[in-house]
Amino acid sequence: EAQVTQNPRYLITVTGKKLTVTCSQNMNHEYMSWYRQDPGLGLRQIYYSMNVEVTDKGDVPEGYKVSRKEKRNFPLILESPSPNQTSLYFCASTRGPRAEQYFGPGTRLTVT
Amino acid sequence: GDSVTQMEGPVTLSEEAFLTINCTYTATGYPSLFWYVQYPGEGLQLLLKATKADDKGSNKGFEATYRKETTSFHLEKGSVQVSDSAVYFCALSDRLGTSGSARQLTFGSGTQLTVLP
Repeated sequence: EAQVTQNPRYLITVTGKKLTVTCSQNMNHEYMSWYRQDPGLGLRQIYYSMNVEVTDKGDVPEGYKVSRKEKRNFPLILESPSPNQTSLYFCASTRGPRAEQYFGPGTRLTVT
Repeated sequence: GDSVTQMEGPVTLSEEAFLTINCTYTATGYPSLFWYVQYPGEGLQLLLKATKADDKGSNKGFEATYRKETTSFHLEKGSVQVSDSAVYFCALSDRLGTSGSARQLTFGSGTQLTVLP
């Protein structure tokens, strides 16, 4: 089954404690993205990747890092989380910039 | 830069009512346009898309027509069901990003639809 998986689904952490949210896709897609969803703001792109070792900033990259060492994986790293990063995070993948994006189930992060 | 403006919600309708959710966009190029749907507790999934002017996307009774002259992509359904209750996102995909690379999607803020039996 074609899918995008994210882990963990729920995470509560404290300010400053480094965390990683994993994302994996099994569709051999070149393009992957991270978004955050906040009430009234829709989804905003954090980072995206066009291929292994190729990444670029989206609309709201501050406070986040990503890496793309393998085609299937695209982890999101918060080196020093802050409360304003409390949000619902989605990973997505696609075969091309104008094609359908496949979304993971979401990770709800709370930073206290 | 690119942007998408959606009709503000929430929208509450009775079953079998007609649905319209307005969406307009600004883009520098010739974007592809999408409607995504998010059911409670789930990720987004593609509902329909259109890739060029005058294209009509359709799926599950929903339709939207790519109108370049009015820069719009309004979502319509003739008769909604309780199971259509969800958040609907209009989005566009254009080619240019900050580094000239594929930028992927720009989303509207979403419209919450509730259908009552």
